[in-house]
Amino acid sequence: QQQVKQSPQSLIVQKGGIPIINCAYENTAFDYFPWYQQFPGKGPALLIAIRPDVSEKKEGRFTISFNKSAKQFSLHIMDSQPGDSATYFCAASLGDDKIIFGKGTRLHILP
Amino acid sequence: EAQVTQNPRYLITVTGKKLTVTCSQNMNHEYMSWYRQDPGLGLRQIYYSMNVEVTDKGDVPEGYKVSRKEKRNFPLILESPSPNQTSLYFCASSAHNTDTQYFGPGTRLTVL
Repeated sequence: QQQVKQSPQSLIVQKGGIPIINCAYENTAFDYFPWYQQFPGKGPALLIAIRPDVSEKKEGRFTISFNKSAKQFSLHIMDSQPGDSATYFCAASLGDDKIIFGKGTRLHILP
Repeated sequence: EAQVTQNPRYLITVTGKKLTVTCSQNMNHEYMSWYRQDPGLGLRQIYYSMNVEVTDKGDVPEGYKVSRKEKRNFPLILESPSPNQTSLYFCASSAHNTDTQYFGPGTRLTVL
């Protein structure tokens, strides 16, 4: 199966909180797991990505945690700000093949 | 400036009238793909291309055609559009499918 299941569908967090978005996959052959951020009226843009040989990756306030045995990965946003309000997509891909996206999480950070 | 361009940005058409959405990238990327975005369904890949003259079906290819005659261009063709193809379409390119994908600004298509 080549699905990527993303949750929650929507999330509201107070400013300074740590929103967490989760994704689960089934195909153990996937070897690249990116997160994309999309603002209204714009195309998605890469936020951070991880490969399965590491369990965590940080870039600024954004962290990906990767659990290979559970086939899950998650995005954490530290010290969240109203400007982080956007739709977030996880994805997974395999070699020279298609890319599978999750259905997206609409995040709203309250000021 | 490195970018992916799509045209048109907005299109309203009628059922059965053939249309083409163009996509062009100036980053010399090998991998290009088309997605459609629908509420509650996220991004679904329609077709992708690993290189010139190489195209492959994504998850939702029915009703669409693509071609890759040049590295920079990857047009999406709807031979006989139907209302269920009303959607927001994105073109994207990357050096490889396991590299950063750069998305175009989107084309909002309405089929009446």
